[in-house]
Amino acid sequence: QITLKESGPTLVKPTQTLTLTCTFSGLSLNRNGVGVGWIRQPPGKALEWLALIYWDDDKRYNPSLWSRLSITKDTSRNQVVLTMTNMGPVDTATYYCARYLRYSGNWYFDRWGQGTLVTVSS
Amino acid sequence: DIQMTQSPSSLSASVGDRVTITCRASQSVNDRLNWYQQKAGKAPNLLIYAASSLQSGVPPRFSGSGSGTDFTLTISSLQPEDFAIYYCQQSYTTPPTFGQGTKVEI
Repeated sequence: QITLKESGPTLVKPTQTLTLTCTFSGLSLNRNGVGVGWIRQPPGKALEWLALIYWDDDKRYNPSLWSRLSITKDTSRNQVVLTMTNMGPVDTATYYCARYLRYSGNWYFDRWGQGTLVTVSS
Repeated sequence: DIQMTQSPSSLSASVGDRVTITCRASQSVNDRLNWYQQKAGKAPNLLIYAASSLQSGVPPRFSGSGSGTDFTLTISSLQPEDFAIYYCQQSYTTPPTFGQGTKVEI
């Protein structure tokens, strides 16, 4: 059974750095064709992809946010960590981590965590 | 970035109706198009990958079609548990972009 779970602060102050951890089980981030991504969703709005890290440590970031984002993995602990600097009220959202899987040349997010709501407020 | 545009933004339907949602990409994504269902307060759930392949465990009343820039998600007979928001997502290039969502309401 594959599970992912996000953890981190529920409230951050403007200008602070957010650090979120995705702890997973049942998936191998050492396996060719596997990645873990972060996606966020402001209240009542659409999904926005933030970052991806692949099995080979290749990293990709949303171009509009790349200067504020960093993603790393610790395969020994089955964790992926996302940091986002200089948080502002517009970053208030539910943050999801999800497995990004390649199958027959196609990639998709097939397993998702439950999400964690992060509120940015002083 | 490839922009994904869904239509309609919302629709009202009844149980048993056939429902069609459209997703258009700003450039060709071949068949690299996925569909997700999101119920209130829950994480998205993968329904369709590679434009027309049904994810394991998803009821066969869901189907997807299309290639290039124009795609369709069809629910052949709407069930009470299908009232949700549906998103398309392209995986042809990075960043993997999502559509704005289509809300299916009673």
